[in-house]
Amino acid sequence: SQQGEEDPQALSIQEGENATMNCSYKTSINNLQWYRQNSGRGLVHLILIRSNEREKHSGRLRVTLDTSKKSSSLLITASRAADTASYFCATDPSDYQLIWGAGTKLIIKP
Amino acid sequence: KAGVTQTPRYLIKTRGQQVTLSCSPISGHRSVSWYQQTPGQGLQFLFEYFSETQRNKGNFPGRFSGRQFSNSRSEMNVSTLELGDSALYLCASQEAPRNNEQFFGPGTRLTVL
Repeated sequence: SQQGEEDPQALSIQEGENATMNCSYKTSINNLQWYRQNSGRGLVHLILIRSNEREKHSGRLRVTLDTSKKSSSLLITASRAADTASYFCATDPSDYQLIWGAGTKLIIKP
Repeated sequence: KAGVTQTPRYLIKTRGQQVTLSCSPISGHRSVSWYQQTPGQGLQFLFEYFSETQRNKGNFPGRFSGRQFSNSRSEMNVSTLELGDSALYLCASQEAPRNNEQFFGPGTRLTVL
């Protein structure tokens, strides 16, 4: 079963606007990661946030983690056409594998 | 360093056939994981190998198998292909298990007719 569930499933915004995606999970975790996937290609690691962290920044990305609500959000500021992609969260509830959500498809309109 | 490479990139097979996919991890990475991705779905974990040993296996039938060689290169095999096996198969490498960041290859797009 899926541990992470992204919300919304799809998001379409104008270039320059901010995009926010959410991820919810079910069990306790050590860390949560966000990845980006351009159409039909491999995934690229964006950012990792540990369970004892509440917020983390990387360039135009801001990730928050609320372990009490078992949720995380990914904010992309000042979006660009190149940000068009699917975004996945992944959690590590066990020692053996990451659990992935179904992803949010982000479309940036010019 | 060269990234993760997967071969072939595209493959078309018919039902009942078998297929072998190959993955070469980043140099120095000894952990390789395989995932299946179907349209609109997240990644479904297939298995992970570390030092030639399978550490864990996802919830897939025995038709899906894999192995890892001493140079960390990995192969996965799917026998008796079914239409539902059509998917993007992704390989990811890490220096070691639970090293957090996974590095993905471009994937092999398998189409079963």
